[in-house]
Amino acid sequence: GDSVTQMEGPVTLSEEAFLTINCTYTATGYPSLFWYVQYPGEGLQLLLKATKADDKGSNKGFEATYRKETTSFHLEKGSVQVSDSAVYFCALSDGGYNKLIFGAGTRLAVHP
Amino acid sequence: DTAVSQTPKYLVTQMGNDKSIKCEQNLGHDTMYWYKQDSKKFLKIMFSYNNKELIINETVPNRFSPKSPDKAHLNLHINSLELGDSAVYFCASSHDRGRGTGELFFGEGSRLTVL
Repeated sequence: GDSVTQMEGPVTLSEEAFLTINCTYTATGYPSLFWYVQYPGEGLQLLLKATKADDKGSNKGFEATYRKETTSFHLEKGSVQVSDSAVYFCALSDGGYNKLIFGAGTRLAVHP
Repeated sequence: DTAVSQTPKYLVTQMGNDKSIKCEQNLGHDTMYWYKQDSKKFLKIMFSYNNKELIINETVPNRFSPKSPDKAHLNLHINSLELGDSAVYFCASSHDRGRGTGELFFGEGSRLTVL
């Protein structure tokens, strides 16, 4: 079945460092891909998405490009802030009924 | 106004008890979901309702029974609670059904602890 694999955390960075969180997927069709973020004590929020190959999703300085050839959707940010500390989830949807399949989540801790 | 609200936020109970978690959304969405997040942060879908109709029912013990009295509410009732039911349960909603845009709006979660 479809699945999502994320790099294990926690990822610990200093403020203004470059961030990459790796995500790869397995899917039989042509899924849409998503990054969700969960701040402490809150529910998940959609951060960005891409619906077809070579699309780039971006929001709040974060970017991810849908790479069909490597089945990847890595999350990047050029300069992280302390406020970016959260758990980041990669997810896919096969298009039916919004049945999102999530990765295990990667915790990011940013220190001043 | 909270878009997707769940109650209670915390629930501590004994094995064997029956408990309910309520969810309401004021976004006008027609689809609602229950997700379970275990201690390792894995998130898995349990159920989804569209306009009070069950459309996703994953492999979940039948001790779990969702109920949707109207499209703005989706409650989760759990019978005979077990230790393994301890988790954070997230309610979510979305605007569409078959188009699968993937944008779900999540509540803050209900942390269930079974002793």
